[in-house]
Amino acid sequence: GAVVSQHPSWVICKSGTSVKIECRSLDFQATTMFWYRQFPKQSLMLMATSNEGSKATYEQGVEKDKFLINHASLTLSTLTVTSAHPEDSSFYICSARMQGAGNTIYFGEGSWLTVV
Amino acid sequence: GNSVTQMEGPVTLSEEAFLTINCTYTATGYPSLFWYVQYPGEGLQLLLKATKADDKGSNKGFEATYRKETTSFHLEKGSVQVSDSAVYFCALSDHTGNQFYFGTGTSLTVIP
Repeated sequence: GAVVSQHPSWVICKSGTSVKIECRSLDFQATTMFWYRQFPKQSLMLMATSNEGSKATYEQGVEKDKFLINHASLTLSTLTVTSAHPEDSSFYICSARMQGAGNTIYFGEGSWLTVV
Repeated sequence: GNSVTQMEGPVTLSEEAFLTINCTYTATGYPSLFWYVQYPGEGLQLLLKATKADDKGSNKGFEATYRKETTSFHLEKGSVQVSDSAVYFCALSDHTGNQFYFGTGTSLTVIP
């Protein structure tokens, strides 16, 4: 099946620094990509929806200046956590909608971020 | 609003045991319902789905029926295997397919 890859899978960064997480659709073009985060024992929460070539749409309560999302091509979306703080430590997962395949969504393997 | 409530884990079963993971939802309109599975170190994979009431999704021996009257989509398997050990997520999407709402996930461990 279709593959969505995230990188890095694990990242530890110092408080105050920025960290970028990449989400790539390896074998299909994705017009729309989604970013989620999951706190321990909680649901995956949608953070934002990004469409190739346009600004991301953020969910209520998500700081767009803190979580920068770029969807520069049909196969790559990036999430940059700026000025990270320990409370940003979480599991971030992306998904991508295959172009021309209706509602078929494929998920990445997720990225664990720990801010120390 | 839309939400999904999923049975909490972890769940530990012996091989060949019967599995049920409960999932109920609240939704406006006519959502589609999904079960995703995440094996260790891998991404979420679609396990099965149902797009309308009374539909039954099935895959790899797992099945779930979209019950509108009870707003449920319980996952079942008659005989689990060690290889079924994973985290299972129940989810719904709205009619646009853009918004997914997930349960908290249920970790299943199957022991030989």
